Amino acid sequence: EVQLLESGGGLVQPGGSLKLSCAASGFILSGSGVHWVRQASGKGLEWVGRSRSKANNYATAYIASVKGRFTIFRDDSKNTAYLQMDSLKIEDTAVYYCSLGWFDLWGQGTQVTVSS
Amino acid sequence: DVVMTQSPISLPVTLGQPASISCRSSQSLVYSDGNTYLYWFQQRPGQSPRRLIYRVSNRDSGVPDRFSGSGSGTDFTLKISRVEAEDVGLYYCMQGTHWPLTFGGGTKVEIK
Repeated sequence: EVQLLESGGGLVQPGGSLKLSCAASGFILSGSGVHWVRQASGKGLEWVGRSRSKANNYATAYIASVKGRFTIFRDDSKNTAYLQMDSLKIEDTAVYYCSLGWFDLWGQGTQVTVSS
Repeated sequence: DVVMTQSPISLPVTLGQPASISCRSSQSLVYSDGNTYLYWFQQRPGQSPRRLIYRVSNRDSGVPDRFSGSGSGTDFTLKISRVEAEDVGLYYCMQGTHWPLTFGGGTKVEIK
C-alpha cells in the first residue's frame, strides 16, 4: 500500500528543536517532491515548505515565517523526508502533515506543541 | 503573497441538494506554462486532507463524479451536485502558481 507516515511530534519548549519524519512505503520517495503543511487547532491549512525530487536536486522553499529556522532534507536510504525545526515558537504549534507531489497523497499528521 | 478568499465560510445543505463553494485569488493563477494551478481539498472531521480536484477541473481517482471544479483566472468554484452525508467537512482551495503556496480559509459543509 502506498502511504506516508509522519512521526517525531511532541511537546517542546520555546527555543527548542524537533525533527519530524515522513516515511514513505510502497514507492520510492526520491522521485517525488514533498511538502510540509501545518494546521493549528481549529484553524486552516498553511503551507510550510517543500523539497523537490532528487532529479531537481531536492531544491527547497519555505514560507517567510519559518525561513532560517526550518529545514527540509531527505535520506534516500530510509526512503524518508524530514522537517528539522529549530528555534521553535509558540505559534509553530500545529499538526504537521507531509504530502507527496502536488498534494495527491497525505500522511496522517503529527502534533507539535511549543509551550513552556 | 497571493490571498485566496473562500465563500461562504459555513454552508448548511440539505441532503440531496447541490452546494457551491467560491474561491477567489488576489492575482491570476495562470502560470507561464499556460496551466492554472488551482486545487481543491476535502478534510473530513478527524482526518487528513484529501485532494479532490487538481488544476481547476480534474477530478482525482476515486472522487465521486458529483464533485466538479470550474473557473479561470482569479475566480473558481467547487460544486457538489447532490450532497451526501459523507461530504460533511472542511473544503479548501489552494493555489500552486505563485510562491509561497497559499490556501483559502476553508468552507465548512454541514447537513441542515
